[in-house]
Amino acid sequence: GDSVTQMEGPVTLSEEAFLTINCTYTATGYPSLFWYVQYPGEGLQLLLKATKADDKGSNKGFEATYRKETTSFHLEKGSVQVSDSAVYFCALRTAGTASKLTFGTGTRLQVTL
Amino acid sequence: DTEVTQTPKHLVMGMTNKKSLKCEQHMGHRAMYWYKQKAKKPPELMFVYSYEKLSINESVPSRFSPECPNSSLLNLHLHALQPEDSALYLCASSPGQPGEKLFFGSGTQLSVL
Repeated sequence: GDSVTQMEGPVTLSEEAFLTINCTYTATGYPSLFWYVQYPGEGLQLLLKATKADDKGSNKGFEATYRKETTSFHLEKGSVQVSDSAVYFCALRTAGTASKLTFGTGTRLQVTL
Repeated sequence: DTEVTQTPKHLVMGMTNKKSLKCEQHMGHRAMYWYKQKAKKPPELMFVYSYEKLSINESVPSRFSPECPNSSLLNLHLHALQPEDSALYLCASSPGQPGEKLFFGSGTQLSVL
């Protein structure tokens, strides 16, 4: 079945450091790929998405590129802020009107001053 | 209105109680979802409704009973729950086209005593 593998956390960085959170996936067909962010006590918010190979999703300084050859969708940001502290979930969704969104285990990011 | 609204935000119930969780969206979305999220874990899909019909049931125990009275509302009826059912219950909606993002509510934090 479909699955998403994320790097283990927590990730602790100083403000303005470079961030990479690795994500790889296994899926049949051609899934859409997403990064969701969850701040404490809240639901999930879409951070960015990519729907086909070589697409780059970007938002709020975060980027991720859909790499079909390596089945990866790594999240990057050039300079993190304390306000970026949250849990980040990589997810995939296969085709279908109301298809399932499969999440990775989540990576907690803690940014310190 | 780009929100998914869930009520109540917090719920404490005994194992013999009957309660309901409510979810509402006014974005015209045609797919609605229930997810369960345990602490420090990713959300797990429970149910999907597409055009007001149940399209996915992820082998959820019958003590959880979903209901979609109309295209804007989604309920989750709870009866005879167990303490291990304590979790954050997230509702989400999507327009109903393949690959589109899900909009999440902030969840109901449920404690079963």
